[in-house]
Amino acid sequence: QVQLQESGPGLVKPSQTLSLTCTVSGGSISSGDYYWSWIRQPPGKGLEWIGYIYYSGSTYYNPSLKSRVTISVDTSKNQFSLKLSSVTAADTAVYYCARGYDSADYWGQGTLVTVSS
Amino acid sequence: SYVLTQPPSVSVAPGQTARITCGGNNIGSKSVHWYQQKPGQAPVLVVYDDSDRPSGIPERFSGSNSGNTATLTISRVEAGDEADYYCQVWDSSSDHHYVFGTGTKVTVL
Repeated sequence: QVQLQESGPGLVKPSQTLSLTCTVSGGSISSGDYYWSWIRQPPGKGLEWIGYIYYSGSTYYNPSLKSRVTISVDTSKNQFSLKLSSVTAADTAVYYCARGYDSADYWGQGTLVTVSS
Repeated sequence: SYVLTQPPSVSVAPGQTARITCGGNNIGSKSVHWYQQKPGQAPVLVVYDDSDRPSGIPERFSGSNSGNTATLTISRVEAGDEADYYCQVWDSSSDHHYVFGTGTKVTVL
């Protein structure tokens, strides 16, 4: 059974960089069968795709966030990571990592990141 | 970018059928996926590729897709089906690869 677990600070100051890591267990990122995604959900709102990465390092980002987002992968640790720079209160959300190709079949439990001074 | 529109809410009595629509331009030409999200939990994939169900999802959940509308149908609705539901398409031809619908709150009366 594949499991994903997000980790990282729950509080980030405005203008700083949000950094999260997703650790995958029960399956290998290097299998090459899936994209590995970050998706977020502001409190009380809908889902927003941030971007995803292939095990080879190829990345695809939501154009609305592209200038501030970096997703990277560490296949040796079976992890992938998200960096979102210059955050504002509008970036406060539950951040999910997920596995999938054209749909997301496994999700992490999500982690709330609050942007506040 | 591609837009998916869902009704904000649907109400249904237990044992009845709930239908949740997802509207998009020529959505019938794309594969549509549906997620169920209960409060405080991560989304769960309940239908993929228009009408297929992942392992463990009850047969009561079914999907269809044609023209400009995709539909998730929940038959014999139970109290435990009360949740938010999101449709999603994968549009690799554009920059917005994963597009989510606006979400529908299903209330079981």
